[in-house]
Amino acid sequence: EIVLTQSPGTLSLSPGERATLSCRASQSVSSSYLAWYQQKPGQAPRLLIYGASSRATGIPDRFSGSGSGTDLTLIISRLEPEDFAVYYCQQYGSSPWTFGQGTKVEIK
Amino acid sequence: QVQLVQSGAEVKKPGASVKVSCKASGYTFTSYGMSWVRQAPGQGLEWMGWISVYNGNTNYAQKLQGRVTMTTDTSTSTAYMELRSLRSDDTAVYYCARRAVAGFFDYWGQGTLVTVSS
Repeated sequence: EIVLTQSPGTLSLSPGERATLSCRASQSVSSSYLAWYQQKPGQAPRLLIYGASSRATGIPDRFSGSGSGTDLTLIISRLEPEDFAVYYCQQYGSSPWTFGQGTKVEIK
Repeated sequence: QVQLVQSGAEVKKPGASVKVSCKASGYTFTSYGMSWVRQAPGQGLEWMGWISVYNGNTNYAQKLQGRVTMTTDTSTSTAYMELRSLRSDDTAVYYCARRAVAGFFDYWGQGTLVTVSS
């Protein structure tokens, strides 16, 4: 099983700041099979990024993804109030498909 | 527009079974797979398995093998997830999520809270 470890656990930032979220895999994953999801309290997760760097439909361009192999990064270039949420990375290339434990982006 | 609408909250006793439904609309049901993901209170996301709506093939997480069954009814565009021999640590919000051809989960249901308590 591929274990995904996200860091940091919590990121305290102010609106307008840049957020950098990391996800490290226990073994190499094809970048074609890496995704990021956003989850707000009481809501279902929402797909942000797939294939490591492709934005899902309707996702603003302040969200960008990069990485390959064992290291994946999500960058939010300038935080908007609605971006404060929990973010999960996921690999879907090797069963069982696994999620990271999440990074909470909170208002400082 | 794509919608996945799940059945309502359930309260079950330990040892019982629960069956959660997920009705799809806005797309061709048989063209996509359906995954199930659960989230225990205050915890992260756990993939449970998926079903190919096209041919009924399934792939379950090893820890749930023998207790979970995923099925679909193409006549009503509805997916089902049944979990048996419920334990208190099965208390969670259960989500269905459409699996895109490339494998990621592009649309999610609203979630169904299943509470297991004596």
